[in-house]
Amino acid sequence: KQEVTQIPAALSVPEGENLVLNCSFTDSAIYNLQWFRQDPGKGLTSLLLIQSSQREQTSGRLNASLDKSSGRSTLYIAASQPGDSATYLCAVRGLMDSNYQLIWGAGTKLIIKP
Amino acid sequence: GAGVSQSPSNKVTEKGKDVELRCDPISGHTALYWYRQRLGQGLEFLIYFQGNSAPDKSGLPSDRFSAERTGESVSTLTIQRTQQEDSAVYLCASSQNRGQTQYFGPGTRLLVL
Repeated sequence: KQEVTQIPAALSVPEGENLVLNCSFTDSAIYNLQWFRQDPGKGLTSLLLIQSSQREQTSGRLNASLDKSSGRSTLYIAASQPGDSATYLCAVRGLMDSNYQLIWGAGTKLIIKP
Repeated sequence: GAGVSQSPSNKVTEKGKDVELRCDPISGHTALYWYRQRLGQGLEFLIYFQGNSAPDKSGLPSDRFSAERTGESVSTLTIQRTQQEDSAVYLCASSQNRGQTQYFGPGTRLLVL
């Protein structure tokens, strides 16, 4: 059974710092992995999607990497801003999930201090 | 165009009462998902609708939970005889088709007293 873990559960850093969020998964047979951002009252926003054949994806100040063999993904945020404060969730979609269900981590709550 | 919408945004109910949560997916999206997120935990899959196919109900935690969807439009999630452990945020997502990017609504925060 696929399990997704995110460490740390919470992170507080000063504005301007670069930071890394971690996501690990137990079953490497994945179809893809996604990173989402969750803002209170606004639902989830998809940030980056990495297919199983890819090693990384970039969008602006965000870079996500994927190492299937070790069951790990990282989300790198460069030059952090207070507006980056949110909960970041990673989710994997398994190869064998006929309905393409996402298995979710519990998230990392990020606070960027001005 | 409009995103996924959910109503109500917040619901407080007494233990034992029934509640109905509504989700309006993005127009044209054939796939619709319901998830539950308890405080401090990840999302739990509840149920999935794809077009006119039979829904995948494998994530529903008990027979007190049910959901319906009219064609490819509105879906309602019903919780009967609510319990305190049902307190959570209930999120709905839709995607253009199975396996494609899911777009999430803002969620309904349910509190069972």
